[in-house]
Amino acid sequence: RKEVEQDPGPFNVPEGATVAFNCTYSNSASQSFFWYRQDCRKEPKLLMSVYSSGNEDGRFTAQLNRASQYISLLIRDSKLSDSATYLCALRAAGNKLTFGGGTRVLVKP
Amino acid sequence: DGGITQSPKYLFRKEGQNVTLSCEQNLNHDAMYWYRQDPGQGLRLIYYSQIVNDFQKGDIAEGYSVSREKKESFPLTVTSAQKNPTAFYLCASSPATSISEQYFGPGTRLTVT
Repeated sequence: RKEVEQDPGPFNVPEGATVAFNCTYSNSASQSFFWYRQDCRKEPKLLMSVYSSGNEDGRFTAQLNRASQYISLLIRDSKLSDSATYLCALRAAGNKLTFGGGTRVLVKP
Repeated sequence: DGGITQSPKYLFRKEGQNVTLSCEQNLNHDAMYWYRQDPGQGLRLIYYSQIVNDFQKGDIAEGYSVSREKKESFPLTVTSAQKNPTAFYLCASSPATSISEQYFGPGTRLTVT
């Protein structure tokens, strides 16, 4: 089993709709969790950290479920500009991040 | 303007040649990282350094070498021993704290023929 797994997608989303996807991890000692956004042929950019209590940033909501070992990202009122690949990342120990393979989201008019 | 710079953006080399990719940061971050990304794949860690003059192998270090002589610089050499060097190479940095996120440079797309 991979250490971090994501559904590669693509998730085809009508503009204005809500989309949600998960990232599962196998290491129960994972301590910190992040969502990154990556546009085609660009570098990943930090979207948000994921806190134990869940957190929201505008239209984006991140949740952590330690019991089932996954994090989730929900995007409300999807915009065309939300089309990207979303990478989850987690840190178990030390300063190393392990990344998932990414979930591709395509928002269509 | 603080950030991470990588140069060049695109690099072409012939098989059998070593090539060095540049990564510089002016964020005063202690830790720096090199990742490789292949099409449709996630990021795989090549090497990382948490302090000047010290670095550790990541998950796919074979065929690569690094140095960390200055805090702001972490160059990566792709040697001729790397069997599949064509990839998108990303450099990142973070403060030394254990819960901090990483910030990425714009990447270098290396093509070896």
